Amino acid sequence: NAGVTQTPKFRILKIGQSMTLQCTQDMNHNYMYWYRQDPGMGLKLIYYSVGAGITDKGEVPNGYNVSRSTTEDFPLRLELAAPSQTSVYFCASSYSPQGLTQYFGPGTRLLVL
Amino acid sequence: AQSVTQLGSHVSVSEGALVLLRCNYSSSVPPYLFWYVQYPNQGLQLLLKYTTGATLVKGINGFEAEFKKSETSFHLTKPSAHMSDAAEYFCAVSDGVAGNQFYFGTGTSLTVIP
Repeated sequence: NAGVTQTPKFRILKIGQSMTLQCTQDMNHNYMYWYRQDPGMGLKLIYYSVGAGITDKGEVPNGYNVSRSTTEDFPLRLELAAPSQTSVYFCASSYSPQGLTQYFGPGTRLLVL
Repeated sequence: AQSVTQLGSHVSVSEGALVLLRCNYSSSVPPYLFWYVQYPNQGLQLLLKYTTGATLVKGINGFEAEFKKSETSFHLTKPSAHMSDAAEYFCAVSDGVAGNQFYFGTGTSLTVIP
């Protein structure tokens, strides 16, 4: 199993551009998550999904959108990039609720200039 | 609401010395508690977790943590630090509902001095 994979690894965007961060997991997990990690701030939840077709907002959803058309994929969309979205983005997945482990991808480093 | 406080954003220990990383949580329901480690330019890896049962949990790489309900703490320890332990450590809490959302602390950077 590859686990959780993310692409791209690094991207530079200009203000106002859009992009999609890709996340795929091959563990048949029904729960998936997007976090952003800013220096000294820990990880903040952006969006999560409890299954295909079902998504919900996390702590910091503004400026982002998600979709979940399949169990495997959970892309994160930035429509109008802003410098405040410069961060490292992590995707994670877990099999079910009730405290089971979340497995993390390697991250995407995004710089908005 | 759930929250996590990690005391000490930077901790330095000598190689072979005890490692103690502190984590206190706030939870309105019985919590599930986790410690993750992050090496430079990598994702997070699970070190250990507490869900139910024995309050002293053992993880990978010789780490362990003890859930103390009365102190709302879940401190991470290792008897003897190794150079390879240098990394960022995150404590997280989940209530197991609402999509199994995790709430992370701000992290503790561990430096091991040779």
